[in-house]
Amino acid sequence: GAVVSQHPSWVICKSGTSVKIECRSLDFQATTMFWYRQFPKQSLMLMATSNEGSKATYEQGVEKDKFLINHASLTLSTLTVTSAHPEDSSFYICSLSGGGTYNEQFFGPGTRLTVL
Amino acid sequence: RKEVEQDPGPFNVPEGATVAFNCTYSNSASQSFFWYRQDCRKEPKLLMSVYSSGNEDGRFTAQLNRASQYISLLIRDSKLSDSATYLCVVATDSWGKLQFGAGTQVVVTP
Repeated sequence: GAVVSQHPSWVICKSGTSVKIECRSLDFQATTMFWYRQFPKQSLMLMATSNEGSKATYEQGVEKDKFLINHASLTLSTLTVTSAHPEDSSFYICSLSGGGTYNEQFFGPGTRLTVL
Repeated sequence: RKEVEQDPGPFNVPEGATVAFNCTYSNSASQSFFWYRQDCRKEPKLLMSVYSSGNEDGRFTAQLNRASQYISLLIRDSKLSDSATYLCVVATDSWGKLQFGAGTQVVVTP
């Protein structure tokens, strides 16, 4: 399947700072990438669909001004958590569809964000 | 009601035994179905796609029942390395939007 990387793998920051997370497709040109968030012992929740060259589509309840998504190329999407607060502490994971018959998605290794 | 529901477990399974568990989904228009495996503090990894006729991949067998809207996963000859959380995942549209179950934890014991 598609190989996806994320950077950083973990970050600890002070409340009020902004954090940028990069998601890269290493072997596949992805017009669409997905950003998820997972809190402990809960399922992955889709935050937004990132579209190359256009605006992201956000899920209901996700603040687009707080979670800025930029998908400037076919291999890179970024998620910026602006003015992070402790309740934003979570595991953020990106994925992309590898173009298979069943549109299987392949996930990056995730970024663990802790906001103090 | 959640779109995808799973028994959280844990299912404690002796090494070498067989374990099976189901997942139900609420959207009858769902198009694709998957089982993913997630280890603690790691990303989900695709275990297998679930085909309409059911499919097998080594020790793993997946079944889909569209009439009753459930998917099953069976693991034969369980290995210690099978210990993980198994996520039932359903694609609800052709754009690839996925709905995740909360996962079923499997613990294989020596």
